[in-house]
Amino acid sequence: GQSLEQPSEVTAVEGAIVQINCTYQTSGFYGLSWYQQHDGGAPTFLSYNALDGLEETGRFSSFLSRSDSYGYLLLQELQMKDSASYFCAVRRTGRRALTFGSGTRLQVQP
Amino acid sequence: SAVISQKPSRDICQRGTSLTIQCQVDSQVTMMFWYRQQPGQSLTLIATANQGSEATYESGFVIDKFPISRPNLTFSTLTVSNMSPEDSSIYLCSVDPGKGEKLFFGSGTQLSVL
Repeated sequence: GQSLEQPSEVTAVEGAIVQINCTYQTSGFYGLSWYQQHDGGAPTFLSYNALDGLEETGRFSSFLSRSDSYGYLLLQELQMKDSASYFCAVRRTGRRALTFGSGTRLQVQP
Repeated sequence: SAVISQKPSRDICQRGTSLTIQCQVDSQVTMMFWYRQQPGQSLTLIATANQGSEATYESGFVIDKFPISRPNLTFSTLTVSNMSPEDSSIYLCSVDPGKGEKLFFGSGTQLSVL
C-alpha cells in the first residue's frame, strides 16, 4: 500500500520560515508534489521533485531525498495569505494520478 | 496550464437521488481525475477517466455508484448515484495537461445529502 505522513498543524509568525515535512511509503515512486489549498478553494500546485535535491520557486522551496523517502516544503518570509492547508502528494511510476497526504494546516500569526 | 469549469458548485440533495457533476476544460487533455475530499481532510482518488475508454476506479469505488462519462477530450461528468448522507463531501475534478508533474483542479462541488 501507500502512506504519506505530514504534521497536522503548524503555527508560525509573519516573516518567519517554516518547514513542512512529508515521509512516504510507496512502491514505484516517481515524484513528490506539493499543493496549497485555502479554505473553500481548490488545491493549487506549488512544487514538484522527481530527483534528489532542492527546487526553489520564489518564497517556496521543496526538497526530496529518495533514499530516505522524505521531502519537505520550505516557506520563507511568511505572509498572512500563506495560512492554508498544504498537501504532499506522490506520483507512482506508470500512473498520472496523485496520492495525497493528510495535509498540514499552516496558521500564520501577526 | 488549464482552466477548469466545474458545476454545480454546491447542491443539497435528498437521500436516494442522483447528482451529476460536470467538468469542462479549456484545452484537450488525455486524462481527467475525480477526487473526493471531506472538509479538512485529504483528497481521495475516485477514478481516472480517459477519453474513449472505461474509467478506472480505485479500491472502494464502483462504477454503479459513481458512473463517469468522458465523451471528448475537454469534458467529463461524475454521477453520484442513490445518494446517502455518507456521500456528503466535496468532489473535485482535475486534469494533467502536461507530463505528469502538475495537476489543475476545478473549484469543486460541495454536496450535502439529507
